[in-house]
Order: sequence, then structure tokens, then C-alpha cells
Amino acid sequence: EAGVAQSPRYKIIEKRQSVAFWCNPISGHATLYWYQQILGQGPKLLIQFQNNGVVDDSQLPKDRFSAERLKGVDSTLKIQPAKLEDSAVYLCASTTWGSKYNEQFFGPGTRLTVL
Amino acid sequence: AQSVTQPDIHITVSEGASLELRCNYSYGATPYLFWYVQSPGQGLQLLLKYFSGDTLVQGIKGFEAEFKRSQSSFNLRKPSVHWSDAAEYFCAVGGENDYKLSFGAGTTVTVRA
Repeated sequence: EAGVAQSPRYKIIEKRQSVAFWCNPISGHATLYWYQQILGQGPKLLIQFQNNGVVDDSQLPKDRFSAERLKGVDSTLKIQPAKLEDSAVYLCASTTWGSKYNEQFFGPGTRLTVL
Repeated sequence: AQSVTQPDIHITVSEGASLELRCNYSYGATPYLFWYVQSPGQGLQLLLKYFSGDTLVQGIKGFEAEFKRSQSSFNLRKPSVHWSDAAEYFCAVGGENDYKLSFGAGTTVTVRA
């Protein structure tokens, strides 16, 4: 079974530029998460999708971050404009909705460096 | 509000020695508890999870964890570490009807020969 795919794996941009990350969850997983992991910290949830609807985006800085999952499968996270403090690893995870055991499966992440 | 505290930022252990990583959680209902491991440049991999039942749970790679409700703890242990266990370990808490996980800040484990 293929795991969660993410691209690119690494990205370096200047501040005020825009950037987009892509995630393809495990086939059949209805729930998709984006996490931000700043160096030295644990992952912090940015947004959670159930199919193509947003369940929780309370931690998403909506003035600069946006995310979509138009067809309920893959997802894109965008930052525009980027700030220095956005330097982090962005992790995508997926799970099956309705499962009592909400084990999340993580992708390898995209490491963003903002200069 | 749910939260996780991992008191140890960094632990160094000799190969073959035992390892214990501490995790304390705060959760208003029955917690679901997880330990994940992250090797450099890799995503998080689930080591083990606790939902209910036996408070001592076994996981992959020889790890086990014990849930102690009275202490709000879920400590991870391994009797004999291998050099390949060098990684960062994260404890996380969620709930039966809560698909949001809250992670601790992580503990970095260094294994010396």
C-alpha cells in the first residue's frame, strides 16, 4: 500500500514570495491534515479536511495561508506572502474517517526555508 | 484544552542500555495516546497506541508504554536500545470523538557506542 506522498521535499524561497505544497493521501482516506513543525517543536495542526470540507482550521493563519482539497483526494497548502517565521517542515497526514482508532499516517514532509 | 508535556528535551543512552521517555498529558475525557518516532528527514512513524484495556501496550521495534491514569502519564520504554533507535520521539494525545492530535515538543535520543 502506498503511503502519503508529498512534494516538493525541499523548498527555499525569499520572504514575501509565495509557495505551494502538495499532498496525496493514502487511497481511501477521507480525512487529511496539514501540520507545521518548527525546528525543536512538535507538529502543530494547521487544518483538517473531511473529504473536501474543512473540519478545523482554527490554527491556520488565514491572512497568508490557504489550503484546498477540491476533489476530496489530494490537497494543496499555499503560503502567500511567506515570512521568515514560516520556515518549518510541513507534514501531511491522513486517516480513515469513522474509525475509532484515529491513527494518522504521515508523509515525509516538505522542508521550507524562508530567507 | 488538551496538551502534552515531554519533560526531557534530549536523552543520551549507551547501546544496549534501557531507555525510558516521559510523557504527561492533559485531556478532559478519555484519552487516546500515541508515541511516534521521527528519524532525520523522515515523516512520523507510529510506534504504539493506547485506547483502552491493558495499560501496558506493546509496539513495534521492541518498544512498550504504560498508561497511568492517576499520574496522567504514558511513558515509553525499551529494555535494550540499538544504534538505530537514535531519533526524535513524540507523544501525542487525542480522543475517541476528537480527530485532532496534540503533540509534545519531542525528545531527541542519542545512542552512543
